[in-house]
Amino acid sequence: AQSVTQLDSQVPVFEEAPVELRCNYSSSVSVYLFWYVQYPNQGLQLLLKYLSGSTLVKGINGFEAEFNKSQTSFHLRKPSVHISDTAEYFCAVSENTGFQKLVFGTGTRLLVSP
Amino acid sequence: DAGVIQSPRHEVTEMGQEVTLRCKPISGHDYLFWYRQTMMRGLELLIYFNNNVPIDDSGMPEDRFSAKMPNASFSTLKIQPSEPRDSAVYFCASRDGSGGGAAETQYFGPGTRLLVL
Repeated sequence: AQSVTQLDSQVPVFEEAPVELRCNYSSSVSVYLFWYVQYPNQGLQLLLKYLSGSTLVKGINGFEAEFNKSQTSFHLRKPSVHISDTAEYFCAVSENTGFQKLVFGTGTRLLVSP
Repeated sequence: DAGVIQSPRHEVTEMGQEVTLRCKPISGHDYLFWYRQTMMRGLELLIYFNNNVPIDDSGMPEDRFSAKMPNASFSTLKIQPSEPRDSAVYFCASRDGSGGGAAETQYFGPGTRLLVL
Protein backbone atom coordinates (compact mmCIF):
# COMPACT_ATOMS: atom_id res chain seq x y z
CA ALA A 1 0.00 0.00 0.00
CA GLN A 2 1.08 3.55 -0.63
CA SER A 3 1.10 6.55 1.65
CA VAL A 4 1.82 10.24 1.24
CA THR A 5 3.25 12.66 3.77
CA GLN A 6 2.96 16.39 3.34
CA LEU A 7 5.24 17.74 6.00
CA ASP A 8 3.80 21.24 6.23
CA SER A 9 0.16 21.86 7.01
CA GLN A 10 0.52 25.56 6.25
CA VAL A 11 3.11 27.64 4.40
CA PRO A 12 2.94 31.43 4.64
CA VAL A 13 4.85 33.38 2.01
CA PHE A 14 5.01 36.90 0.64
CA GLU A 15 3.94 37.72 -2.87
CA GLU A 16 6.68 37.28 -5.51
CA ALA A 17 8.75 35.08 -3.20
CA PRO A 18 9.65 31.50 -4.17
CA VAL A 19 7.90 28.59 -2.51
CA GLU A 20 8.43 24.87 -2.08
CA LEU A 21 5.73 22.51 -0.81
CA ARG A 22 7.11 19.21 0.35
CA CYS A 23 5.76 15.76 -0.41
CA ASN A 24 7.21 12.38 0.47
CA TYR A 25 5.68 9.06 -0.41
CA SER A 26 6.04 5.45 0.59
CA SER A 27 5.53 2.52 -1.76
CA SER A 28 7.00 -0.91 -2.40
CA VAL A 29 6.42 -0.58 -6.15
CA SER A 30 6.86 2.07 -8.80
CA VAL A 31 4.40 4.92 -8.63
CA TYR A 32 2.69 7.74 -10.42
CA LEU A 33 2.65 11.08 -8.61
CA PHE A 34 0.28 14.03 -8.78
CA TRP A 35 -0.23 17.49 -7.36
CA TYR A 36 -3.75 18.89 -7.12
CA VAL A 37 -4.85 22.38 -6.08
CA GLN A 38 -8.09 23.24 -4.30
CA TYR A 39 -9.24 26.85 -4.30
CA PRO A 40 -11.76 27.88 -1.61
CA ASN A 41 -15.16 26.25 -2.03
CA GLN A 42 -14.08 24.44 -5.18
CA GLY A 43 -13.14 20.93 -6.22
CA LEU A 44 -9.62 19.70 -6.84
CA GLN A 45 -7.83 20.62 -10.05
CA LEU A 46 -4.79 18.82 -11.44
CA LEU A 47 -1.63 20.94 -11.36
CA LEU A 48 0.82 18.41 -12.75
CA LYS A 49 1.66 14.72 -12.80
CA TYR A 50 4.64 12.43 -13.12
CA LEU A 51 4.04 9.17 -14.96
CA SER A 52 7.47 8.43 -16.46
CA GLY A 53 10.37 10.05 -18.28
CA SER A 54 11.87 13.36 -17.21
CA THR A 55 11.89 13.76 -13.47
CA LEU A 56 11.22 17.49 -13.74
CA VAL A 57 7.57 18.06 -14.48
CA LYS A 58 6.04 21.39 -15.41
CA GLY A 59 2.41 22.14 -14.73
CA ILE A 60 -0.11 24.93 -14.95
CA ASN A 61 0.21 28.37 -13.38
CA GLY A 62 4.03 28.26 -13.38
CA PHE A 63 4.35 25.34 -10.97
CA GLU A 64 6.85 22.54 -11.36
CA ALA A 65 7.82 19.45 -9.39
CA GLU A 66 10.76 17.11 -9.32
CA PHE A 67 10.52 13.38 -8.80
CA ASN A 68 13.37 12.05 -6.68
CA LYS A 69 13.20 8.30 -6.46
CA SER A 70 16.09 7.88 -4.03
CA GLN A 71 14.53 10.32 -1.58
CA THR A 72 10.96 9.22 -2.39
CA SER A 73 9.99 12.84 -2.79
CA PHE A 74 7.93 14.93 -5.20
CA HIS A 75 8.27 18.51 -4.01
CA LEU A 76 6.28 21.28 -5.67
CA ARG A 77 7.94 24.60 -6.48
CA LYS A 78 7.16 27.99 -7.91
CA PRO A 79 9.81 30.71 -8.35
CA SER A 80 7.45 33.63 -7.71
CA VAL A 81 4.01 33.29 -6.17
CA HIS A 82 0.95 35.47 -6.61
CA ILE A 83 -1.87 36.29 -4.25
CA SER A 84 -4.08 34.12 -6.44
CA ASP A 85 -1.98 31.05 -5.59
CA THR A 86 -3.49 31.03 -2.11
CA ALA A 87 -5.12 27.60 -1.92
CA GLU A 88 -4.81 24.09 -0.54
CA TYR A 89 -2.35 21.82 -2.35
CA PHE A 90 -2.60 18.03 -2.29
CA CYS A 91 0.03 15.51 -3.26
CA ALA A 92 -1.24 12.10 -4.40
CA VAL A 93 0.28 8.76 -5.36
CA SER A 94 -0.84 5.59 -7.08
CA GLU A 95 0.83 2.36 -8.13
CA ASN A 96 1.80 2.33 -11.79
CA THR A 97 0.48 -1.17 -12.50
CA GLY A 98 -2.92 -1.09 -14.13
CA PHE A 99 -5.59 1.11 -12.63
CA GLN A 100 -4.87 1.93 -9.03
CA LYS A 101 -6.57 4.24 -6.63
CA LEU A 102 -5.15 7.62 -5.78
CA VAL A 103 -3.97 8.08 -2.21
CA PHE A 104 -3.92 11.71 -1.12
CA GLY A 105 -1.80 13.51 1.42
CA THR A 106 -3.37 15.69 4.09
CA GLY A 107 -2.75 18.87 2.14
CA THR A 108 -0.69 22.03 2.56
CA ARG A 109 -2.37 25.40 2.79
CA LEU A 110 -0.38 28.05 0.92
CA LEU A 111 -1.04 31.54 2.21
CA VAL A 112 0.32 34.33 0.02
CA SER A 113 0.28 37.81 1.49
CA PRO A 114 1.18 41.18 -0.06
CA ASP B 1 -18.04 20.33 -21.46
CA ALA B 2 -19.59 21.54 -18.23
CA GLY B 3 -17.35 19.38 -16.10
CA VAL B 4 -18.50 17.17 -13.27
CA ILE B 5 -21.80 18.41 -11.88
CA GLN B 6 -22.87 17.84 -8.29
CA SER B 7 -26.08 18.69 -6.53
CA PRO B 8 -26.97 20.06 -4.15
CA ARG B 9 -24.00 22.31 -3.41
CA HIS B 10 -25.05 22.67 0.21
CA GLU B 11 -27.25 20.48 2.37
CA VAL B 12 -28.31 21.01 5.95
CA THR B 13 -30.32 18.25 7.56
CA GLU B 14 -31.18 16.84 10.93
CA MET B 15 -29.81 13.70 12.42
CA GLY B 16 -31.76 10.66 11.32
CA GLN B 17 -32.86 12.06 7.99
CA GLU B 18 -32.01 10.54 4.64
CA VAL B 19 -29.58 12.46 2.47
CA THR B 20 -29.04 11.92 -1.25
CA LEU B 21 -26.14 13.46 -3.11
CA ARG B 22 -26.08 13.49 -6.89
CA CYS B 23 -23.36 13.49 -9.50
CA LYS B 24 -23.23 13.78 -13.27
CA PRO B 25 -19.80 12.79 -14.61
CA ILE B 26 -18.14 14.21 -17.69
CA SER B 27 -19.65 12.68 -20.80
CA GLY B 28 -17.60 9.75 -22.05
CA HIS B 29 -15.82 9.09 -18.79
CA ASP B 30 -16.08 5.49 -17.66
CA TYR B 31 -14.78 5.83 -14.09
CA LEU B 32 -16.64 7.62 -11.30
CA PHE B 33 -15.39 8.22 -7.79
CA TRP B 34 -16.98 9.43 -4.56
CA TYR B 35 -14.69 11.08 -1.99
CA ARG B 36 -15.28 12.57 1.44
CA GLN B 37 -13.20 15.43 2.81
CA THR B 38 -13.00 16.31 6.51
CA MET B 39 -10.53 18.24 8.59
CA MET B 40 -9.73 15.19 10.68
CA ARG B 41 -9.33 12.56 7.97
CA GLY B 42 -8.51 14.58 4.88
CA LEU B 43 -9.65 13.29 1.49
CA GLU B 44 -10.90 9.70 1.54
CA LEU B 45 -12.07 7.56 -1.35
CA LEU B 46 -15.44 6.04 -0.51
CA ILE B 47 -16.27 4.05 -3.62
CA TYR B 48 -15.57 3.97 -7.33
CA PHE B 49 -17.39 2.64 -10.38
CA ASN B 50 -16.17 1.46 -13.76
CA ASN B 51 -18.74 1.31 -16.56
CA ASN B 52 -21.50 1.80 -13.96
CA VAL B 53 -20.36 -1.21 -11.89
CA PRO B 54 -19.08 -0.68 -8.33
CA ILE B 55 -15.50 -1.91 -8.22
CA ASP B 56 -14.26 -1.04 -4.76
CA ASP B 57 -16.46 0.11 -1.90
CA SER B 58 -13.98 -0.61 0.86
CA GLY B 59 -13.92 3.05 1.81
CA MET B 60 -17.63 3.24 2.55
CA PRO B 61 -17.73 3.89 6.29
CA GLU B 62 -20.70 1.69 7.19
CA ASP B 63 -24.01 0.30 6.02
CA ARG B 64 -25.68 3.66 6.37
CA PHE B 65 -23.87 4.67 3.19
CA SER B 66 -24.84 3.38 -0.23
CA ALA B 67 -24.02 4.41 -3.78
CA LYS B 68 -25.56 3.63 -7.12
CA MET B 69 -24.83 4.34 -10.73
CA PRO B 70 -27.92 3.44 -12.78
CA ASN B 71 -26.42 4.76 -16.01
CA ALA B 72 -23.27 6.34 -17.40
CA SER B 73 -24.43 9.87 -16.70
CA PHE B 74 -25.73 9.70 -13.16
CA SER B 75 -24.71 8.50 -9.72
CA THR B 76 -26.06 8.93 -6.20
CA LEU B 77 -24.56 8.64 -2.76
CA LYS B 78 -27.14 8.07 -0.06
CA ILE B 79 -26.79 8.29 3.70
CA GLN B 80 -29.63 6.80 5.73
CA PRO B 81 -29.91 7.61 8.56
CA SER B 82 -27.55 10.57 8.68
CA GLU B 83 -25.48 11.41 11.77
CA PRO B 84 -23.59 14.56 12.80
CA ARG B 85 -20.26 12.81 12.16
CA ASP B 86 -21.22 12.53 8.48
CA SER B 87 -20.81 16.28 8.14
CA ALA B 88 -18.18 16.80 5.46
CA VAL B 89 -17.65 17.88 1.88
CA TYR B 90 -18.45 15.09 -0.56
CA PHE B 91 -16.75 15.16 -3.94
CA CYS B 92 -17.53 13.29 -7.09
CA ALA B 93 -14.82 12.81 -9.72
CA SER B 94 -14.68 11.13 -13.10
CA ARG B 95 -11.96 9.84 -15.38
CA ASP B 96 -11.55 8.62 -18.91
CA GLY B 97 -10.05 5.15 -18.67
CA SER B 98 -9.67 4.55 -22.37
CA GLY B 99 -6.11 5.87 -22.46
CA GLY B 100 -4.60 2.97 -20.58
CA GLY B 101 -4.10 1.65 -17.07
CA ALA B 102 -2.64 4.67 -15.37
CA ALA B 103 -4.54 6.51 -12.65
CA GLU B 104 -4.32 9.50 -14.96
CA THR B 105 -6.36 12.60 -14.41
CA GLN B 106 -9.44 12.60 -12.28
CA TYR B 107 -11.73 15.59 -12.78
CA PHE B 108 -13.46 16.74 -9.63
CA GLY B 109 -16.83 18.34 -9.16
CA PRO B 110 -17.32 21.38 -6.89
CA GLY B 111 -18.48 19.22 -4.00
CA THR B 112 -21.53 19.05 -1.75
CA ARG B 113 -21.09 20.57 1.69
CA LEU B 114 -23.18 18.49 4.10
CA LEU B 115 -24.05 19.56 7.61
CA VAL B 116 -25.96 17.16 9.81
CA LEU B 117 -27.36 18.79 12.94
